[in-house]
Amino acid sequence: KAGVTQTPRYLIKTRGQQVTLSCSPISGHRSVSWYQQTPGQGLQFLFEYFSETQRNKGNFPGRFSGRQFSNSRSEMNVSTLELGDSALYLCASSLGGNTDTQYFGPGTRLTVL
Amino acid sequence: ELKVEQNPLFLSMQEGKNYTIYCNYSTTSDRLYWYRQDPGKSLESLFVLLSNGAVKQEGRLMASLDTKARLSTLHITAAVHDLSATYFCAVDYQAGTALIFGKGTTLSVSS
Repeated sequence: KAGVTQTPRYLIKTRGQQVTLSCSPISGHRSVSWYQQTPGQGLQFLFEYFSETQRNKGNFPGRFSGRQFSNSRSEMNVSTLELGDSALYLCASSLGGNTDTQYFGPGTRLTVL
Repeated sequence: ELKVEQNPLFLSMQEGKNYTIYCNYSTTSDRLYWYRQDPGKSLESLFVLLSNGAVKQEGRLMASLDTKARLSTLHITAAVHDLSATYFCAVDYQAGTALIFGKGTTLSVSS
């Protein structure tokens, strides 16, 4: 069974630009969550989607947004990039129940110059 | 605000020794997860603990959960070099839709 895939794996952008990251969940998984990992703040929850609906959102500014498509694939977008947005962005998928394990993808490494 | 604290944050061990990583959290939850992350890699699920008193073991690692004390432990028995990694505990927040992670414990095992 294929795991969670994320594209692209690496991105370099400049301040003020916007970026879109993509996540394809494990087949059959309907929930996709996004996390930001930085050395200073650690792993922080961004948002979670289930059946195309955002069920939960972390404490991030509105520049961070996401969506989920009918095939459960998800994208997240960051507009007006800031230096502090440089991070590893991880997505995780699960079946969507409240005891289901979240399985993580390899991440997208975003560098903002 | 839910907080998850791990200690120690760094752990240097000799092969063959035992040690325990602690994970305390600040609000009621009966779902706790342990993940492993190797440098430059993603997170690998190790254990899922879903009730008070749950104990899971895999190889040299054993995890337990005490929901009344809001404490989980990850015990390492007879450490080997292959266990060198960063270990995260994460508490389920809001019915499976979000995980709140501890800062991670970076374990280094040397001979």
